[in-house]
Amino acid sequence: SQTIHQWPATLVQPVGSPLSLECTVEGTSNPNLYWYRQAAGRGLQLLFYSVGIGQISSEVPQNLSASRPQDRQFILSSKKLLLSDSGFYLCAWSDAGDNGNTIYFGEGSWLTVV
Amino acid sequence: GNSVTQMEGPVTLSEEAFLTINCTYTATGYPSLFWYVQYPGEGLQLLLKATKADDKGSNKGFEATYRKETTSFHLEKGSVQVSDSAVYFCALKGATGFQKLVFGTGTRLLVSP
Repeated sequence: SQTIHQWPATLVQPVGSPLSLECTVEGTSNPNLYWYRQAAGRGLQLLFYSVGIGQISSEVPQNLSASRPQDRQFILSSKKLLLSDSGFYLCAWSDAGDNGNTIYFGEGSWLTVV
Repeated sequence: GNSVTQMEGPVTLSEEAFLTINCTYTATGYPSLFWYVQYPGEGLQLLLKATKADDKGSNKGFEATYRKETTSFHLEKGSVQVSDSAVYFCALKGATGFQKLVFGTGTRLLVSP
């Protein structure tokens, strides 16, 4: 069966520090991968998605970036965090192509920028 | 573009009460519709889904019917429990090609004993 893991689960970072959140999927190949953010008291915002290695689409211009160095690895990064980057970050995956009907989420990572 | 509108919360109920959380959508064609649940401090879990008109998704006593004529996918449960307290998200995914999952803003459900 397929599983998705992301880490770290929680982190507190000072303003201006870098960020790296990692996500891996097991039990499938060539998945579509996603990063979502959920700010406090708000809905889910799609940040990035990827349909293949090295292919990244950005939904919202900001100081975050994403990379997909391997088929089942998705990384969310920032060079300099802002206070407004605080939130709950969710990695997700779906099957490729038209079979990618359902999206499955990881456990989430709580980021607090202080 | 595609969009989802769901009722604002919080919805506060007593245990064993009947639950309805309204969800309506705007989309072209026949999207797939989903309900996700987020328990406190956790990620999102798929609760149920429906992929074509008149389909009924069901899981853990929850149900939702894909109504094309009213563009709705309301979530219902006949008798809620304290453990159902969570945030519920309605979502849709477009019918063709690569499509992103579009979420509603979420509805918080609070069930008291």
